[in-house]
Amino acid sequence: DAGVIQSPRHEVTEMGQEVTLRCKPISGHDYLFWYRQTMMRGLELLIYFNNNVPIDDSGMPEDRFSAKMPNASFSTLKIQPSEPRDSAVYFCASSRLPLTNSPLHFGNGTRLTVT
Amino acid sequence: AQKITQTQPGMFVQEKEAVTLDCTYDTSDPSYGLFWYKQPSSGEMIFLIYQGSYDQQNATEGRYSLNFQKARKSANLVISASQLGDSAMYFCAMRESGANSKLTFGKGITLSVRP
Repeated sequence: DAGVIQSPRHEVTEMGQEVTLRCKPISGHDYLFWYRQTMMRGLELLIYFNNNVPIDDSGMPEDRFSAKMPNASFSTLKIQPSEPRDSAVYFCASSRLPLTNSPLHFGNGTRLTVT
Repeated sequence: AQKITQTQPGMFVQEKEAVTLDCTYDTSDPSYGLFWYKQPSSGEMIFLIYQGSYDQQNATEGRYSLNFQKARKSANLVISASQLGDSAMYFCAMRESGANSKLTFGKGITLSVRP
C-alpha cells in the first residue's frame, strides 16, 4: 500500500512567485490534513478536509494561502504570492475513521524556501 | 491553553539503556487518543504508538511502550534498549472525539543516543 505522496520534495522560489504543493493521500482515507513545520512554531495545522470538503481552515495564515481537494486522491496547497516567512516544511497527512484511534500517515514533506 | 506539553528540552541516553520521554495533555473530553511520532533527521514523520483514553492496559509496540496515567493526564513514551537509530525528534499528539477532530502536536523532544 503506497503511503502519502507529496511533490515536490524541495521547492526554491523567489518572493512574489506562486507556489503549488501537491499531495496524494492513501487510498480509502477520508481525511486529509496540511501541516506546516518551522523551528519557531513547531507543527501547525493549516487546513483539513473530510471527503474532499474543507472542514477547518482556521490555521491558514493569510489569504495568500489556499487549498483544494478536487477529488479523493489529490489535494493542492497554493501560496500566492509567496514571502520569505513562508519558508518551512509542509506536510500532507491522511487518516481514516474513527478519528480518535486512527493515526495520521504523513508524506515526506515539501521543503519550501522562499528567497 | 496548550493541549500537549513536552517540556524536556533534549534527552541523552546510552545505547542499550531505556529512556522515558514525557508528555502531559489537557482535555475535558472523556474520549480521546494519544499518539507518539518519531521524526529522524531525514524529516519524515513516523507513527510509533497509540493509546486510547478507555484502554485498560498501557500500549506496547516492540521496544516502545506508553506509560499512561490518566488521572495525571500523562502519556510518557518509554523506549527500551535504545539504539543509535532512535536518535530523533519525538512528538506527542492528541486527538479528541467529535465529528471532526484534528490532531494537536506538542513541541517535541530531541533524543540523542550515545554509543
